[in-house]
Amino acid sequence: GDSVTQMEGPVTLSEEAFLTINCTYTATGYPSLFWYVQYPGEGLQLLLKATKADDKGSNKGFEATYRKETTSFHLEKGSVQVSDSAVYFCAPSADRGSTLGRLYFGRGTQLTVWP
Amino acid sequence: KAGVTQTPRYLIKTRGQQVTLSCSPISGHRSVSWYQQTPGQGLQFLFEYFSETQRNKGNFPGRFSGRQFSNSRSEMNVSTLELGDSALYLCASSLVGSITDTQYFGPGTRLTVL
Repeated sequence: GDSVTQMEGPVTLSEEAFLTINCTYTATGYPSLFWYVQYPGEGLQLLLKATKADDKGSNKGFEATYRKETTSFHLEKGSVQVSDSAVYFCAPSADRGSTLGRLYFGRGTQLTVWP
Repeated sequence: KAGVTQTPRYLIKTRGQQVTLSCSPISGHRSVSWYQQTPGQGLQFLFEYFSETQRNKGNFPGRFSGRQFSNSRSEMNVSTLELGDSALYLCASSLVGSITDTQYFGPGTRLTVL
């Protein structure tokens, strides 16, 4: 990935609401796609990943599908919980040998879930 | 298996000083990447090391440097600190830094420059 556009936050939802955070990327090659989550005062934790087209990554009720035709990797969860409140980052990987070892991060989306 | 560790967790320095941050990757991981996180610029890539060689570098001035040791542990150094260097510095490790590798992040070092 060379750049990533992520839905601006903050996003505020009530518990059990449906969540979508949009993410699109640009790439000349074929990156892997990641979603990371950051809780206050902590580093980044991997939420889910997908490494090829039409792959669906899933974890803790969150899902995202690698859409190569639309260069998108939107994050969804059917029923959010208060404990999901955090900042979410979409991150395509490098897509060619000259840029190995790096991730390209979006600006992050702050999610707050109210009980 | 232990995760990525970073030391120190917090640092306070004054302008003009230099600082060294340390990162110990997950056992068996040979690629270490560094990122700077600030409220204004978000997460920015600093550099990546693999087998003691810098393989990739972001758009940061030469005051930012790093190295990797034979045991894959990595350090980054910032010389002549500026106020704008205040940030959370995150280290991540992966097996070999390939396109499909997952990067695992440490808790970060919070640097404050006064």
